[in-house]
Amino acid sequence: DAGVTQSPTHLIKTRGQQVTLRCSPKSGHDTVSWYQQALGQGPQFIFQYYEEEERQRGNFPDRFSGHQFPNYSSELNVNALLLGDSALYLCASSLRVWSTDTQYFGPGTRLTVL
Amino acid sequence: KNQVEQSPQSLIILEGKNCTLQCNYTVSPFSNLRWYKQDTGRGPVSLTIMTFSENTKSNGRYTATLDADTKQSSLHITASQLSDSASYICVVSLNFGNEKLTFGTGTRLTIIP
Repeated sequence: DAGVTQSPTHLIKTRGQQVTLRCSPKSGHDTVSWYQQALGQGPQFIFQYYEEEERQRGNFPDRFSGHQFPNYSSELNVNALLLGDSALYLCASSLRVWSTDTQYFGPGTRLTVL
Repeated sequence: KNQVEQSPQSLIILEGKNCTLQCNYTVSPFSNLRWYKQDTGRGPVSLTIMTFSENTKSNGRYTATLDADTKQSSLHITASQLSDSASYICVVSLNFGNEKLTFGTGTRLTIIP
């Protein structure tokens, strides 16, 4: 039973470029959440997808957008990259947004913006 | 503003010793509180999850306590091992379930032989 997987593992981009990160949830899970974690900080909630719709959103600009596919996998897109977007991007999955079952996190994608 | 504050920021202890990490939160309405362990450069791994009606939960050598009245939680680690070296993050759910979780900044624990 595969856990949460993310790709790519590492990514280097330059300012102004666009990036797409991918996440496959744990088998049986239908809800995907995305987090940004700067070095030495706790994860910051970006948004959450359930039934292919964005259900919750944190305090992130519109440059951050996402998508969830019918197979529950998800993408995070960031446009017009800034140096401050350099961080570890974590994907977490769970079964139904209103469940108290814990979220399972993927290994993350390390994004470096030069 | 809903906040989750953890202390200490960092802690170094000898292998085999016990330690306690603290978490204070102001999130309201409170639904559940979780403790995660995060190795450097890896995703967090869940240790415990407690609803507002629970005041203690154990997972092996990890024991979490919760006082919903004072809005405090602690994570006690018994007989520490080198593999316990990691960041420990306290996470509070604003509403029911896995909606918009609020993360603390974590306590960096280092176990030395």
